[in-house]
Amino acid sequence: GQSLEQPSEVTAVEGAIVQINCTYQTSGFYGLSWYQQHDGGAPTFLSYNALDGLEETGRFSSFLSRSDSYGYLLLQELQMKDSASYFCAVKTGGFKTIFGAGTRLFVKA
Amino acid sequence: DSGVTQTPKHLITATGQRVTLRCSPRSGDLSVYWYQQSLDQGLQFLIQYYNGEERAKGNILERFSAQQFPDLHSELNLSSLELGDSALYFCASSVEVTNSYNEQFFGPGTRLTVL
Repeated sequence: GQSLEQPSEVTAVEGAIVQINCTYQTSGFYGLSWYQQHDGGAPTFLSYNALDGLEETGRFSSFLSRSDSYGYLLLQELQMKDSASYFCAVKTGGFKTIFGAGTRLFVKA
Repeated sequence: DSGVTQTPKHLITATGQRVTLRCSPRSGDLSVYWYQQSLDQGLQFLIQYYNGEERAKGNILERFSAQQFPDLHSELNLSSLELGDSALYFCASSVEVTNSYNEQFFGPGTRLTVL
């Protein structure tokens, strides 16, 4: 079957760095994307990796290793507003988009 | 504001009933996706339409159906509703020009409660 695995919860303190991992097993792969969702809100796009390596966008970076079927989202200089759920997602062969179950990030003061 | 609109925002109905959820994509986006999110769960991909035609199907129940109209808005029909269908239903849209990933823009969702 097709699956994405990510930790269910991560807790970190304000100002710290946190890494959220995602491993995937899918038939067909066009890239790994990350979405943020605050409680009661809609998911919003954060980043996308099609090729191996690190993509940086401000405080957020995303990494992909296609050979390891693995990626991560790195959040730096954590702020309270970063408390949210983070989902990794893969577009598979056949155009299906598979989302992970999400990682709930708690940022403490 | 993502530019994707969904109506209604909330819907409360009884078991066995049928409801229709509506989505208008961002201007210029040809693809529409439907997702179901149950309480504290991830996003379950239901179905995707591209320019009026069904493009991909996920774990969509036979009791559910969808379509995309010529003006590109989409409707998700849920019938013979069960308690377990209570969830947040999101619509998303993207440009989807090539067979690569395209950022999806999500609407605010419709919260369905089945009593």
